[in-house]
Amino acid sequence: DTAVSQTPKYLVTQMGNDKSIKCEQNLGHDTMYWYKQDSKKFLKIMFSYNNKELIINETVPNRFSPKSPDKAHLNLHINSLELGDSAVYFCASSPGLSSRLGYTFGSGTRLTVV
Amino acid sequence: AQSVTQLGSHVSVSEGALVLLRCNYSSSVPPYLFWYVQYPNQGLQLLLKYTTGATLVKGINGFEAEFKKSETSFHLTKPSAHMSDAAEYFCAVSDDDKIIFGKGTRLHILP
Repeated sequence: DTAVSQTPKYLVTQMGNDKSIKCEQNLGHDTMYWYKQDSKKFLKIMFSYNNKELIINETVPNRFSPKSPDKAHLNLHINSLELGDSAVYFCASSPGLSSRLGYTFGSGTRLTVV
Repeated sequence: AQSVTQLGSHVSVSEGALVLLRCNYSSSVPPYLFWYVQYPNQGLQLLLKYTTGATLVKGINGFEAEFKKSETSFHLTKPSAHMSDAAEYFCAVSDDDKIIFGKGTRLHILP
């Protein structure tokens, strides 16, 4: 039973399209995150939610909109996709707001924009 | 803000040899440090973490890391490399409400 699951695992789409990535965790954690990993493997936080409330919103284009319907789910919707959005997107969760205990990561969604 | 620097984007060791992956941190407060591993086409898995207390931290798969405050280091070691250890390794630090990752070190295992 996967602790943090993301769908889809792979996503290939054309420029200008709108797409969504879904994430669910069954750990009972309160906080969820989206990270972006670029082609050089660099990981950067995008958003975090705690009990459905937006906590972190890094300098991410407005085309990216996270949504958390409940504390077990955090989805990422991307409008008007651009070539530069191609990356691997990771969802993660943690017990609370503090990052000191570390995160549990999903297996990632590889987004390719053509 | 906290940060980590990983020395060496690629490290190659022979199977059975010692693995040493270097990480230095910068932190204005006592740091909480992590090592994560990413196998090809997979997510990140926590290898070990340092919170407080014992400075030598043991993790999964035979890895360990030592927190050295005087050197601001948290290097990852394994006595004997195995082919299955080939992966990307990330050092990371807790920065209040988020984890900051280093740029990663790709570990290659030579037969």
